[in-house]
Amino acid sequence: QSVLTQPPSVSGAPGQRVTISCTGSPSNFGVGYDVHWFQQLPGTAPKLLIYGNNNRPSGVPDRFSGSKSGTSASLAITGLQAEDEADYYCQSFDSSLSGWVFGGGTRLTVL
Amino acid sequence: EVQLVESGGGLVQPGRSLRLSCAASGFKFDDYAMNWVRQAPGKGLEWVSGISWNSDTTGYADSVKGRFTISRDNAKNSLYLQMNSLRGGDTAFYYCSKGRSSVVAATSDYWGQGTLVTVSS
Repeated sequence: QSVLTQPPSVSGAPGQRVTISCTGSPSNFGVGYDVHWFQQLPGTAPKLLIYGNNNRPSGVPDRFSGSKSGTSASLAITGLQAEDEADYYCQSFDSSLSGWVFGGGTRLTVL
Repeated sequence: EVQLVESGGGLVQPGRSLRLSCAASGFKFDDYAMNWVRQAPGKGLEWVSGISWNSDTTGYADSVKGRFTISRDNAKNSLYLQMNSLRGGDTAFYYCSKGRSSVVAATSDYWGQGTLVTVSS
C-alpha cells in the first residue's frame, strides 16, 4: 500500500488530454511538501518530468503540466502521443516517515 | 553531462551482505544530496535511503532501517549502500539518484541505470 494514491491505469487516444491524480495526506502534501512526477519508459530508469508541483526540467515538452491543491495533485498530458506510453509516478516527502514517498504508479496506454 | 553509474549488484544468499557503489560525474558532487531508490521486477518505485551533501543527515525506509547503511565519499565522488542481512524482499533494481539540492527532502533530477540485486538461495 503506497503512501500516495494513484490510479493503476489511464488511457487516451492520440491527441487527447489525460490526467493522472495523486492523493496525499496531512503529513506530506498537507504540510506543504511539493509533489514531483517521474516518467518511466519500459526498461529504462525513471526520468524527472515535473518538480515543485508545476515546474518542467529543461527538455520536457510543455504538453506536460502539474498542479497541487491541498492534499491532491495531478499531472496533465495534452496532445497525447504514442511515445508518452509509460508508467508515471508521483513523489513527495513525508514528515511522519522522514523520507520520500511514492505513488504506486499509473500506466498510461495510448490507444 | 551528469552521469551516475551503479555497480556491485548480483546474486546473494539470504542473510548475506552486499555493497553497492555509485560513481558520479558531470556535477559538483559535494553540493547535492544523494538517494537510493529500488524497484522490484514488475513493481513500483520504493525509496530506500538518502544522504545530505555533507553526510550530516541520513534517512532510511522502515523496510531497511537497521540493515542498510548509506554513505558517501565526496573526495571520490561516490555514493555507497551497505546492505546487510539481505532478504528475498530486497530483490530489486537499485537506482542511485542525484538530489536537486543539498537536502534529502529534495527530489532527484538525475538517475543512474540501476544495478540488479537478487537475493536467493
